[in-house]
Order: sequence, then structure tokens, then C-alpha cells
Amino acid sequence: GESVGLHLPTLSVQEGDNSIINCAYSNSASDYFIWYKQESGKGPQFIIDIRSNMDKRQGQRVTVLLNKTVKHLSLQIAATQPGDSAVYFCAESKAAGNKLTFGGGTRVLVKP
Amino acid sequence: GAGVSQSPRYKVAKRGQDVALRCDPISGHVSLFWYQQALGQGPEFLTYFQNEAQLDKSGLPSDRFFAERPEGSVSTLKIQRTQQEDSAVYLCASSLDSITEAFFGQGTRLTVV
Repeated sequence: GESVGLHLPTLSVQEGDNSIINCAYSNSASDYFIWYKQESGKGPQFIIDIRSNMDKRQGQRVTVLLNKTVKHLSLQIAATQPGDSAVYFCAESKAAGNKLTFGGGTRVLVKP
Repeated sequence: GAGVSQSPRYKVAKRGQDVALRCDPISGHVSLFWYQQALGQGPEFLTYFQNEAQLDKSGLPSDRFFAERPEGSVSTLKIQRTQQEDSAVYLCASSLDSITEAFFGQGTRLTVV
């Protein structure tokens, strides 16, 4: 079936540096993409979303980029902090509020 | 409460036992989702409710899995005759409607021994 996947399972980054997490998706009908952060023992926490009619969206310290041509999604975290250490998932759906298809996750480890 | 609440947080069941997992969505949220998350993997969709109506149960892995939301608020996921492969974290999420993002609970970690 169609799915969302990630290129890197683990990303180690120095505190203060920028982080980039990548994701590939295969369902061209998807209209809505989301990044979630999941800390150990907790549920996924919404970070930022983007709709297919956009190619970039910025939040607080985070930016999501969408390249529909190559079906690629990325999350950029500026000035990575120890509290950013977690597993990050990209997910896609036909619309916000619809069921989500998640990728396998990338673990981000922030070194002090 | 302010967020999605799930109980119990942890459940250990003997193989063959029935279990019931509870989800209290955010008050007023129409949509409710259940997901299953195996260790080291992303969550996988199980089922979706809009109010009390179960509109999509395509992700339920077998007929041992049953979900309900009789009054359009609290939902229960029931697993009959649990098997070891049912061991996972079961996540519940709710959203205000069908066009806004979903918020997840902390999940119930089920271990079948």
C-alpha cells in the first residue's frame, strides 16, 4: 500500500546547530502533511503541518518544506536544544482531521 | 481535562485474556481515532469515529478487535483472546472536526505474556 517513509533512522546533532529531518511519501493524492514529535512514554505531539498547495511553512524554530515534484517532505529545526531530543514522525492524509499514515520515525539525539 | 486521556497507562494480559482500553477525548471533539504503535515503529491506523458512528474500521487487524463510542464521547477498544502480537502501544487521538488536526493521548502500553 502507499506509505510515508524516512531516509535516516537516527540523527545526532550538536546543541545549537540546525537539524534537518527528511521524509519521502508515495501517495500523490495526499493533501495534508504533518510532523509529530514523540518523547519516550508519550503520545505524538503536533509540531507543524502543511497543505499541498504550499511549499513552505514556518513556525517557532521549525520550518516544513514540501516538494511535490519529488514527493519529499522535510522538517528543519533551528538552534536545536536538548529538549528537542525525541523521535520525529512525518505523516500524511487526504485532509486535516482524516486518518493519518505515518512513517517509521527518525530519532534525534542532541549532544550538549 | 485539557487533553486526551487514556487508561490504563499500562496493561499486562495473559495470552487468551480479553482487554478493554479506554479513551476520553477532548471535550467537544467530534472525531476520534485509534492507532496501534509497535515498538520502534510509527503508529498505524485502526479505526475512526465521527460522534458515535464508526465510519472506518479498515485498520482493525482481526475480528478480535472491536471499538465502540456509544454516546459520541468516551471510546473503548476491546481486544478479545489477546495474542502476543497484540503487544503494542494503543494510541487514541481526537479532533474538533474532520478538518482540524488531531491531538493524541499518552497511549496504553499493552503487553501480552
